[in-house]
This record gives sequence, C-alpha cells and structure tokens, in this order.
Amino acid sequence: DAGVIQSPRHEVTEMGQEVTLRCKPISGHNSLFWYRQTMMRGLELLIYFNNNVPIDDSGMPEDRFSAKMPNASFSTLKIQPSEPRDSAVYFCASSSGEDPRRDFGDGTRLSIL
Amino acid sequence: TQLLEQSPQFLSIQEGENLTVYCNSSSVFSSLQWYRQEPGEGPVLLVTVVTGGEVKKLKRLTFQFGDARKDSSLHITAAQTGDTGLYLCAGWVSGTYKYIFGTGTRLKVLA
Repeated sequence: DAGVIQSPRHEVTEMGQEVTLRCKPISGHNSLFWYRQTMMRGLELLIYFNNNVPIDDSGMPEDRFSAKMPNASFSTLKIQPSEPRDSAVYFCASSSGEDPRRDFGDGTRLSIL
Repeated sequence: TQLLEQSPQFLSIQEGENLTVYCNSSSVFSSLQWYRQEPGEGPVLLVTVVTGGEVKKLKRLTFQFGDARKDSSLHITAAQTGDTGLYLCAGWVSGTYKYIFGTGTRLKVLA
C-alpha cells in the first residue's frame, strides 16, 4: 500500500516567492495533518483537517500560511510570501477514525534564501 | 500547556550497550505512541501503549507506560547502529482532542 506522498522532497527558493507543498494522504484516512519540524522547536502541528474540513489551524504561524484540502486525496500548504525563518522540514501525516497513530510522509525540506 | 518532556535530549553510546529514554508529563494520556525517525524520513510508529502499567516488547525494545499514564520509557538492550535515529513519544491528552509530540531524543549508536 502507498503511504503518505509529499512533493516536492526539496525546495530551495528566494525570500518573497510563493511556495506550495503538496500531500496525498493514505487512501481511506479521514484526517490530515501538516507539521513543521526544526531543531529548535521540534515537531509542531500547523493545521489539521477532518473529512476535508479544517478543524484546528491555531498552529499556523501567520497569515502568510494557508492550507487547503479540496478533496479526500489531496492537500496543499502554501506560504506567500516566504521568509528565511520559514526554512524547515514540513511533514504531512494522515490517520483514520479513532486510531491515534499518525502515518507520516517523508517530508519536504524547505530552504528560503 | 500540555508538554511531553523527553530525556535525555541527546545520547551517544557504543554498540552493545543498553539505554533508556524517558517521556514525562504532568498530563494524563489516554494512549501513548513511540515513533522513530531516521534522517530524511518521517517518523514511523513503533508501538502504542494504552493501559497504565502496560509493558510491550518489540525485539530488543521494551516500552513501559506509567501506572498513572503520565509517563513512559523506552529501553533498548544491546543497541545496534541501526537503532540510530530520533525517538519521539506522542500521545492523546486524556479528555481532550489534543495529540502532542515529545521534545525528542536523538540517539547515535557507534560501531
């Protein structure tokens, strides 16, 4: 079975540019999560969706960040405009029903110059 | 604020040694998971513990959930270089919809 698929795996861009990260959750999973990981702050939850509806976006750092889930098999996390402090590894994860575990993708390593 | 503190933060040991990683909180958890993350990959689930006092074994790894469900430990016997990685505990805070991750323990096993 395919796991959570994220693209791109690496992104290097200049500050001010728009960045779009993509995620395909595991088929049948009804919850999707976007996390950011840095050495300083560890793994932080940015936003999560349940049945394609955003439930908790309190972790989104500021208005420059937005996330969408137009259907059960696709989600995007967009940063516009990007800043150097956004550099991190961004993970998408999905889960099913009452199961507490998260299945993670391999992440997008984002570098903003 | 619910926190899951892990200790130690960093650990470097020789192959064949034993080690224990701790995960502590002042909050009660309805379940707790341990994940391992290798460089360039996402965290991968190792185990889920649910019952206070529960002990689970996964080959050389032994996981324990505290009686009060506020803490957990991971013990590795005869560590191997393949055990190198970032170990994360995570759990659902009882009575809430909050699922939080621990601060992480970065383990390096030297040949």
